[in-house]
Parts: sequence; C-alpha cells; structure tokens
Amino acid sequence: GENVEQHPSTLSVQEGDSAVIKCTYSDSASNYFPWYKQELGKRPQLIIDIRSNVGEKKDQRIAVTLNKTAKHFSLHITETQPEDSAVYFCAPTSGTYKYIFGTGTRLKVLA
Amino acid sequence: NAGVTQTPKFRVLKTGQSMTLLCAQDMNHEYMYWYRQDPGMGLRLIHYSVGEGTTAKGEVPDGYNVSRLKKQNFLLGLESAAPSQTSVYFCASSWGQPNEQFFGPGTRLTVL
Repeated sequence: GENVEQHPSTLSVQEGDSAVIKCTYSDSASNYFPWYKQELGKRPQLIIDIRSNVGEKKDQRIAVTLNKTAKHFSLHITETQPEDSAVYFCAPTSGTYKYIFGTGTRLKVLA
Repeated sequence: NAGVTQTPKFRVLKTGQSMTLLCAQDMNHEYMYWYRQDPGMGLRLIHYSVGEGTTAKGEVPDGYNVSRLKKQNFLLGLESAAPSQTSVYFCASSWGQPNEQFFGPGTRLTVL
C-alpha cells in the first residue's frame, strides 16, 4: 500500500525563524498534496494544498513546494509566531478516495 | 451553516457494548469519511462513502460498520466495543475528488 513519512516528528524554532516540514510518499499516482494543521484538542484544518501540475504555492507566510520526481513535498512557514504551534499533517492522495495521512510533525514556536 | 458536526462529543463504554456515532454535514458534499486518531499515529481511515447509499473500507475497518442512508449523514457503528477502540474519532467530508476535507470536532471514545 501507500507509504507516507513526515520529517521531523518534532520541531522547535525561535519566534521569527522559519520552519520546514517534509513529506515523502511512495504512490507515484499521487496528484493532490495538502497540509493540515491541528491545534491541541481541535479538528484538523487545511492550511495549504498543491496539485501535481504546480511546483510551488504561497499564501502569505506559508508555502508548499512539490518535487514529483523525488516524491516529496514540503511545508515552509516563515516568520513563525506562537500561534503556529500545532501538529501538522500531510495527506497526499491519488484521487482514489483514500487519503493517507502522515504521522504528524509537532511544531513548537518558542517566544 | 454548521459545516460538519458530530454526536456525541464524549462517550465511555464498557467492553462488549455497542454504540453509533453520527456525522452530519450541511455542505452538500458527496464524499464522507470516518477516521480514528491515536497518539503518535496520525489519522487512519476507517470507512468512507462516495455518495448516498455507498460505503467502502478504509485502512482499519475491522470492528466497525457504517451506513449512508442520507447524503448529509454518515453513521459509524461499533457492534461490540473493545479497549483497542479507545480513540478520538473524526468525521470529514469533501467535494469532488481529490479535494480539501472538512473535519468535524471529533468524538472522544473510551472503552473500559
């Protein structure tokens, strides 16, 4: 079956620094690459996504880059703030209705 | 517009008891999903539905059943609860495929 790995599993950064989380997948048919943010005790919410025909997408301080050849995509957060502290999940899918979530990356932004 | 709602929010069961979790969405989404979330394991797909009257197995379907009699509702049943089913359960829905999933607030289930 599909294999999805996220690295690192935990990440601590100083406020104002950048954070990068990488998601590696095995299904070469994957064509949709979302990132979800889950705050403690809350539901996951989409923060950014990208499709296979695009290499990079940016939304203010958040960006996602995709390398289909190497089968990985990354979440970039610049100028981190305390409210960015959360668990982030990638969930690449090939459109077969099955989303395989990564095991998550816990980001801590230190004030 | 409530989005995706789940009932109940919390539940404690004894081993062998049964229960049904209800998910409702008011966004007219075709696709609905049930996940369980355990510490350190992310979200794992239990069952999903691609439309009213249809259901299919996900990654961890054993011990669960589902029904989608109405487009807006997706029910998850546990016929004989086991301690291994202690988890947080999330329902989600989405437009066409693949696309953003909208999650409910979750149900925290404890099986003693």
